[in-house]
Amino acid sequence: DSGVTQTPKHLITATGQRVTLRCSPRSGDLSVYWYQQSLDQGLQFLIQYYNGEERAKGNILERFSAQQFPDLHSELNLSSLELGDSALYFCASTKTGGENEQFFGPGTRLTVL
Amino acid sequence: DQQVKQNSPSLSVQEGRISILNCDYTNSMFDYFLWYKKYPAEGPTFLISISSIKDKNEDGRFTVFLNKSAKHLSLHIVPSQPGDSAVYFCAASSNSGYALNFGKGTSLLVTP
Repeated sequence: DSGVTQTPKHLITATGQRVTLRCSPRSGDLSVYWYQQSLDQGLQFLIQYYNGEERAKGNILERFSAQQFPDLHSELNLSSLELGDSALYFCASTKTGGENEQFFGPGTRLTVL
Repeated sequence: DQQVKQNSPSLSVQEGRISILNCDYTNSMFDYFLWYKKYPAEGPTFLISISSIKDKNEDGRFTVFLNKSAKHLSLHIVPSQPGDSAVYFCAASSNSGYALNFGKGTSLLVTP
């Protein structure tokens, strides 16, 4: 158990809908990262937050957005969902955002029908 | 554009033998490399890492070798155990604390 929690574990929704994925980092960690893993692909970096502020952005679609709240939990919002958004979404955390070793949550499996 | 490549989707090894998982990268700016292990329905778990200033790092049964000139790294598991059966991801970073670039993973099966 990495100490990173993600909810929900599974999410099934329809095209065009909007969903919110939630992540709580390890106790004491200030930085949160979001990754997407599509079928048979490696994890693709989406976005990083540090202490409430956006720090780095990857190939995140404009339909996707994220934020990190004062209690340090983070939410990833996916809107106007398409079939291709079906994937595993992982959250990871580190203490200061300056470490290479990231600790991953169990992921949320999103299925868009 | 896949900057980290794991060209073997799967590998099967007998228990007690050596498992060698390979990884190639294209970005010469990468200066830190990691291996993660992933079981089904779980998130990736950090296994071992190596900085670009080293060519070898060892932790128990796991050793990572880095060949910078070839832009190649490998993970050796000796001896392999059935509990090592998992998907192994190679990852690289070029800027401490920022995005990790992952390969597609190699599924290792260790048979008794």
